[in-house]
Amino acid sequence: GNSVTQMEGPVTLSEEAFLTINCTYTATGYPSLFWYVQYPGEGLQLLLKATKADDKGSNKGFEATYRKETTSFHLEKGSVQVSDSAVYFCALSDGGGSEKLVFGKGTKLTVNP
Amino acid sequence: NAGVTQTPKFQVLKTGQSMTLQCAQDMNHEYMSWYRQDPGMGLRLIHYSVGAGITDQGEVPNGYNVSRSTTEDFPLRLLSAAPSQTSVYFCASSYSGAGNTEAFFGQGTRLTVV
Repeated sequence: GNSVTQMEGPVTLSEEAFLTINCTYTATGYPSLFWYVQYPGEGLQLLLKATKADDKGSNKGFEATYRKETTSFHLEKGSVQVSDSAVYFCALSDGGGSEKLVFGKGTKLTVNP
Repeated sequence: NAGVTQTPKFQVLKTGQSMTLQCAQDMNHEYMSWYRQDPGMGLRLIHYSVGAGITDQGEVPNGYNVSRSTTEDFPLRLLSAAPSQTSVYFCASSYSGAGNTEAFFGQGTRLTVV
């Protein structure tokens, strides 16, 4: 079945450092790919998405590019802030709809001032 | 706009007890889902619904029941709680069956079974 593998954390960075969180996937067909973020004590919220090969999703300074040839969707940010401290989940839509998302295990990011 | 509302936020159950986790959304979304979140496991799909009266099983459905009598509500029932069901439960909704649709999540219910 479809699956998502993402870099396990925790990841600790200093403010203004460069961030990369790796995500690779296994899927039949052409799923949409997502990054969701979970701030402490809250539910998940969509950070960015991409729906087809070579699409780049971006939001709040974060970017990720749908790479079909490497089955990857790595999350990057050029300069992290303390407020980016959260858990980040890579996900794909399984079999068509967003009612059936397959998630990676999550990567906890802590940014220190 | 409240979005997706889950109740209760916290619950402690004894083994063998039953309970219902409530989920309501006010966005008129057709699609709703229940996930559980366990340390080191990410989120796993329990059950989902593509409209009122239609439900189906996800990856980890055993020990849980759902029903969808209205568009707004999607309760999750634990029939006989077990310690293995200790987890954080998230309800989500989306307006479309298209794969690129954003899912909106509730704030979660933290359940402990002792």
